[in-house]
Amino acid sequence: AQKVTQAQTEISVVEKEDVTLDCVYETRDTTYYLFWYKQPPSGELVFLIRRNSFDEQNEISGRYSWNFQKSTSSFNFTITASQVVDSAVYFCALSPYSSYKLIFGSGTRLLVRP
Amino acid sequence: DGGITQSPKYLFRKEGQNVTLSCEQNLNHDAMYWYRQDPGQGLRLIYYSQIVNDFQKGDIAEGYSVSREKKESFPLTVTSAQKNPTAFYLCASSIRQKDSNQPQHFGDGTRLSIL
Repeated sequence: AQKVTQAQTEISVVEKEDVTLDCVYETRDTTYYLFWYKQPPSGELVFLIRRNSFDEQNEISGRYSWNFQKSTSSFNFTITASQVVDSAVYFCALSPYSSYKLIFGSGTRLLVRP
Repeated sequence: DGGITQSPKYLFRKEGQNVTLSCEQNLNHDAMYWYRQDPGQGLRLIYYSQIVNDFQKGDIAEGYSVSREKKESFPLTVTSAQKNPTAFYLCASSIRQKDSNQPQHFGDGTRLSIL
């Protein structure tokens, strides 16, 4: 079975705090891709990052960083010095190799309070 | 600007009525997708199309139909057979590239409600 679990339904932080969003996935495939998307209140999903299963290097993009650990089947997302504009629902997704399907987690709603 | 346009933003359906949601993209993407999002849940795939005149069922295709007559367009019809159509519908597109799962780009969505 292929599945993505985002156990944190909702997180609330105060501006400038760091916050980590957890993502745990299940797959029997050895080759797969992982994604993070942001869904602001306007509704569209905004692509943040794509990572393939052979690349376990952590990635940093500005205040965003991602920690991919195959040993624990996790692909966690950290926002450093959070801002009010980071308030959104964040989705982690899994895509089997050469498949056009995205298997989404249920999302984590992040609220950053001023 | 290149992007995906979904219309209308809000749609109301009467009992027994079919309604069609529009999705147009000018990104020159081959692949297009339709997802359904229910409150507090992730997205579930309804239909997808990798090339013109071809499409496949996703995980929850019952009660829905699609067509792909043009590369730019992938309309979704919610038929009267779909008994619980109230949801947020998102259209997406991506480059069709072998052995490389390209990211999908999404429209702003259509919110469908039953009258």
